[in-house]
Amino acid sequence: DAGVTQSPTHLIKTRGQQVTLRCSPKSGHDTVSWYQQALGQGPQFIFQYYEEEERQRGNFPDRFSGHQFPNYSSELNVNALLLGDSALYLCASRGRNRGGYEQYFGPGTRLTVT
Amino acid sequence: QKEVEQDPGPLSVPEGAIVSLNCTYSNSAFQYFMWYRQYSRKGPELLMYTYSSGNKEDGRFTAQVDKSSKYISLFIRDSQPSDSATYLCAMSANAGGTSYGKLTFGQGTILTVHP
Repeated sequence: DAGVTQSPTHLIKTRGQQVTLRCSPKSGHDTVSWYQQALGQGPQFIFQYYEEEERQRGNFPDRFSGHQFPNYSSELNVNALLLGDSALYLCASRGRNRGGYEQYFGPGTRLTVT
Repeated sequence: QKEVEQDPGPLSVPEGAIVSLNCTYSNSAFQYFMWYRQYSRKGPELLMYTYSSGNKEDGRFTAQVDKSSKYISLFIRDSQPSDSATYLCAMSANAGGTSYGKLTFGQGTILTVHP
């Protein structure tokens, strides 16, 4: 049973560009959350998707947007990249009505903005 | 002030030592308290979770929650070199419902256990 998978593993972008990161949840999970983890910091909640809609959002600007597909996979899009967007982006999934503690994290996508 | 504060360390101990990791928080709505372990270049892995106050033990790991003091701890007994990692505390409010699941993390403590 595959866990949470993310792609790509890492990528390098230039300031002002746009990026799309992808996540496939663990089998049986339908809720996906995205987190940003800057170097030396804990993960920060970006948003959560359930039934193809954004259900909760953290303190991130509108440059950060997402999407969830009918198969529960998800994308995170970041527009107009800034140097400060360089971070590890983590996807976490859980089953419907399961607790926040039952989230499983993927390995992350490391984004470097130059 | 951050909602969750965690001493970043780093912490270096000899093999076999007892390790104590701590977090404080300010949001009284937090009900679930988790500890994650994160190895370099990996995603966080859930170690333990506790609901409300009390203790929970799992092998060499013990989690404690004191809601009256807004303070949580993780103890690692007989620490091993394989325990070397970053330890993250995380907390969650909102019991039930589709909004359930936002985790608020501390900044992590880097632990090194040397042979």
